[in-house]
Amino acid sequence: QKEVEQDPGPLSVPEGAIVSLNCTYSNSAFQYFMWYRQYSRKGPELLMYTYSSGNKEDGRFTAQVDKSSKYISLFIRDSQPSDSATYLCAMSSISSGSARQLTFGSGTQLTVLP
Amino acid sequence: DARVTQTPRHKVTEMGQEVTMRCQPILGHNTVFWYRQTMMQGLELLAYFRNRAPLDDSGMPKDRFSAEMPDATLATLKIQPSEPRDSAVYFCASGLVIGTGGFNEQFFGPGTRLTVL
Repeated sequence: QKEVEQDPGPLSVPEGAIVSLNCTYSNSAFQYFMWYRQYSRKGPELLMYTYSSGNKEDGRFTAQVDKSSKYISLFIRDSQPSDSATYLCAMSSISSGSARQLTFGSGTQLTVLP
Repeated sequence: DARVTQTPRHKVTEMGQEVTMRCQPILGHNTVFWYRQTMMQGLELLAYFRNRAPLDDSGMPKDRFSAEMPDATLATLKIQPSEPRDSAVYFCASGLVIGTGGFNEQFFGPGTRLTVL
């Protein structure tokens, strides 16, 4: 079993829909939770991160972390065709190592239809 | 506009040939990571460095893969001999780690798309 599980999709929604992306994890030492966005034929880029449990909002994006359930979510409100991409969750802990390496989920491919 | 650069962007080679991929991390960053991405396995961490010192390369096949940082501006990933199962997109990422705590963002390059025939 992988340390981080993510539904690969694909997920297809109409423009304006609310999108929910999720990951579960097994390592209780994870403290930093990230969402990376990867456009086709590009490298991943950081969308947002949270530390420990709680919510964080940035524009149309909201990240939630529930450490008790080992479950993290990314919500996209008023989704746009430009949000079409693969979304990867990633996690790390302070004890991840001196390079602070990340553990990634497999990614969810999202398509927002105009 | 600081960014990670990778060369070549695309590489097609035949089985058995040596492949060398290069990465220039963002100036001032002290960590470098090599990843491989495939549809089946997703993003896999192959090796990583801090202050040019290799910390862990347990993610890559030792008999054919090697990763080095000849200097702070260059990281290389070599495959010799290459096999069709090595076909994937290889990403380099760099970051700045200070102290023992805090958040550390990794900045990814555009990747090298490798096809081994």
